[in-house]
Amino acid sequence: SAVISQKPSRDICQRGTSLTIQCQVDSQVTMMFWYRQQPGQSLTLIATANQGSEATYESGFVIDKFPISRPNLTFSTLTVSNMSPEDSSIYLCSVLLLDTQYFGPGTRLTVL
Amino acid sequence: AQKITQTQPGMFVQEKEAVTLDCTYDTSDQSYGLFWYKQPSSGEMIFLIYQGSYDEQNATEGRYSLNFQKARKSANLVISASQLGDSAMYFCAMNPALTGTASKLTFGTGTRLQVTL
Repeated sequence: SAVISQKPSRDICQRGTSLTIQCQVDSQVTMMFWYRQQPGQSLTLIATANQGSEATYESGFVIDKFPISRPNLTFSTLTVSNMSPEDSSIYLCSVLLLDTQYFGPGTRLTVL
Repeated sequence: AQKITQTQPGMFVQEKEAVTLDCTYDTSDQSYGLFWYKQPSSGEMIFLIYQGSYDEQNATEGRYSLNFQKARKSANLVISASQLGDSAMYFCAMNPALTGTASKLTFGTGTRLQVTL
């Protein structure tokens, strides 16, 4: 498996602001993913982040709202832009290792 | 398209007893992977067990085993000798490929397991 960390672990933000979430993994990985889990819901894939290329977004998610960076093989960031209360969720990054996705501890975001 | 169905929103089990969490899936892919994850109240997603569609043996990891019935498209998780620390949400998930290519996980809605004394 892999050791994955996320910062911040939780935050409370005002509507209209932006928050950048960091994901760090202890080994080099090709594929990283960002998921959103709204309260009481299952996980929904936001985008797939490959190093050196643009992220691939799922239907319903756009780059202007969720810009992603992937500067190297161990790090990625997800920004939640112009936040509204509907963005209150747990945001999780994951990495693909030998056909299995391993998840970070998540960032619990509350937007007021 | 792939779909995962978990029909049990909540389950109770007594400590030290075994419990089965149901998962059925729908896919037209010939090759796929099935996964179970545990999510405690802290929010992290913990990988538990994996079953490949071509694996003939049911997967086993410690107290976790996966009852894979391919013809019925079911992949139930069995937890033996339940412990209080097993209380959590459990998600069944699948992806469309066995090889290490880009793969998207499709998740079920989850089952909340509560272990009682």
